[in-house]
Amino acid sequence: EAQVTQNPRYLITVTGKKLTVTCSQNMNHEYMSWYRQDPGLGLRQIYYSMNVEATDKGDVPEGYKVSRKEKRNFPLILESPSPNQTSLYFCASSSLPGGLSDTQYFGPGTRLTVL
Amino acid sequence: GENVEQHPSTLSVQEGDSAVIKCTYSDSASNYFPWYKQELGKRPQLIIDIRSNVGEKKDQRIAVTLNKTAKHFSLHITETQPEDSAVYFCAASIMDSGGYQKVTFGTGTKLQVIP
Repeated sequence: EAQVTQNPRYLITVTGKKLTVTCSQNMNHEYMSWYRQDPGLGLRQIYYSMNVEATDKGDVPEGYKVSRKEKRNFPLILESPSPNQTSLYFCASSSLPGGLSDTQYFGPGTRLTVL
Repeated sequence: GENVEQHPSTLSVQEGDSAVIKCTYSDSASNYFPWYKQELGKRPQLIIDIRSNVGEKKDQRIAVTLNKTAKHFSLHITETQPEDSAVYFCAASIMDSGGYQKVTFGTGTKLQVIP
């Protein structure tokens, strides 16, 4: 079954404690993205990746890092989380560049709370 | 960068009536416009999309229209049903200088269909 998985699904942490949210896809997609969803703001892109070792900033990259060492995995790293990073995070992957595809798959989401 | 505005933010309709959600975009180079539906607690899923060389597209009860001159596009849902209740996001996609098709989302419309 084609899918994008994220872990953890829920996380409560404290300010400054480094964390990683994992994202994995089994569709051999080249393109992967991270979004955050906040009420009234829609989905905003944090980072995206066009292939292994090829990543670039989206609209709201501050406070986040990513890596793409393998094609299937695209972890999101918060080195020093702050309360304004409390949000719902989605990973997405697609076979065509970015949103130009009817096969863009979203992961189930990770709800992060930073106290 | 691209800016996408979406209206209304909330919409209540009686079952069987039609619902219309409107979006405007700022960059005339945008060439792909997907619409996503997000049910409560779930991930966004593509429901319909339209490319810039097409003015209208229909899929059963949903349709999307695009006016490139005015830089706006709309989602039309006819004969609404309670299961149409969800948050709907429009998006505009444009190719950046690196060859990546970058998608910008609207802020979402919460549709409530009243039985």
